[in-house]
Amino acid sequence: DAGVIQSPRHEVTEMGQEVTLRCKPISGHDYLFWYRQTMMRGLELLIYFNNNVPIDDSGMPEDRFSAKMPNASFSTLKIQPSEPRDSAVYFCASSRQGDTGELFFGEGSRLTVL
Amino acid sequence: SQKIEQNSEALNIQEGKTATLTCNYTNYSPAYLQWYRQDPGRGPVFLLLIRENEKEKRKERLKVTFDTTLKQSLFHITASQPADSATYLCALDDNRGATNKLIFGTGTLLAVQP
Repeated sequence: DAGVIQSPRHEVTEMGQEVTLRCKPISGHDYLFWYRQTMMRGLELLIYFNNNVPIDDSGMPEDRFSAKMPNASFSTLKIQPSEPRDSAVYFCASSRQGDTGELFFGEGSRLTVL
Repeated sequence: SQKIEQNSEALNIQEGKTATLTCNYTNYSPAYLQWYRQDPGRGPVFLLLIRENEKEKRKERLKVTFDTTLKQSLFHITASQPADSATYLCALDDNRGATNKLIFGTGTLLAVQP
């Protein structure tokens, strides 16, 4: 398997623009997680899905953030409108239910909002 | 909610020495605790998992201990090499193993000098 695939790897946008980050989890994994990483706050869990259903979105900072998982092989994280404080690296990770929770991370999407 | 503390200061050691990193948590004991390695510009990679009923786990030059009384895990790298230089993240389950949800510490940067 190719692992968790994220796109784009880098995104530079202007404040107020819509940003869409994409993730393809490992085939057969039941859980999908979106994390955000900054120097100040480390890795923060934004939202996670189990079998395509959002389970816990308490980490989503504001209504400007939304995430979807229309099928088992694709998820999006959208920020609309974006703000400079959203600048961070966004990671997608997946894991298999019943395992010990080992997460497989993508390489991340580095977002810069000017 | 659970809080994880890792030493935010970088750890500098000489090649060949043993590196010891600390992870402390504040609330209930997790069902398991994990350690990840993260290289610059990459996603975290799983290294080791230790369950609450295990005192110690080893994998090649890596050793993890788990003390639920102290609410602490120690991560050791013996015979350290410059290639071990990276940020090491501690993570634990947030729901006593009921879900695969993990929360992470901010990580400790390890620098092994040749």
